[in-house]
Amino acid sequence: EDKVVQSPLSLVVHEGDTVTLNCSYEVTNFRSLLWYKQEKKAPTFLFMLTSSGIEKKSGRLSSILDKKELFSILNITATQTGDSAVYLCAVEALIQGAQKLVFGQGTRLTINP
Amino acid sequence: NAGVTQTPKFQVLKTGQSMTLQCAQDMNHEYMSWYRQDPGMGLRLIHYSVGAGITDQGEVPNGYNVSRSTTEDFPLRLLSAAPSQTSVYFCASSYSRGALSNEQFFGPGTRLTVL
Repeated sequence: EDKVVQSPLSLVVHEGDTVTLNCSYEVTNFRSLLWYKQEKKAPTFLFMLTSSGIEKKSGRLSSILDKKELFSILNITATQTGDSAVYLCAVEALIQGAQKLVFGQGTRLTINP
Repeated sequence: NAGVTQTPKFQVLKTGQSMTLQCAQDMNHEYMSWYRQDPGMGLRLIHYSVGAGITDQGEVPNGYNVSRSTTEDFPLRLLSAAPSQTSVYFCASSYSRGALSNEQFFGPGTRLTVL
């Protein structure tokens, strides 16, 4: 069965700290791994990773994929209160000829001032 | 572009009632899908469509029907609502249906409560 597991499920840190969120997966026909940020409403896209070892960066956020060990990490440096959100990891797999996303449970990140 | 729109934003139903959650996109996306999100469980795929006239089941399809008569619209029908269907429902769309992944655009969600 395809599954995506995120850790930790919840994390509370102080503003300015650096955090690392983890995502491990077991899927057949892996296509890509995606990170989303979800605040009050719909998830918003952060990164898509398809190749091992290539870091994607956007401001204070960065992510990398290890296809051999089947995991990805999302780093946030110099955290701000606006980074407080649920971070979702999803893996795209080609299942029965169709693209499907399998989501992890999410990591709830709280940044305290 | 309006992107992905969903109506209603909130809905309260009684057990046994039926209703349709609406989803529309104006980006000419082939791929559309419905997810439900429950506390501590991430998003789970209910049904998806790879194009007009083509739908298929996802991870948790029981109690839901879909149809895709046009590229733009992908309604989700609850046939006989049950308290277990209390959840937040998201519709999403993306360009591709089989190539390497790309960004999925999510609607704002519908919060459904079944009493």
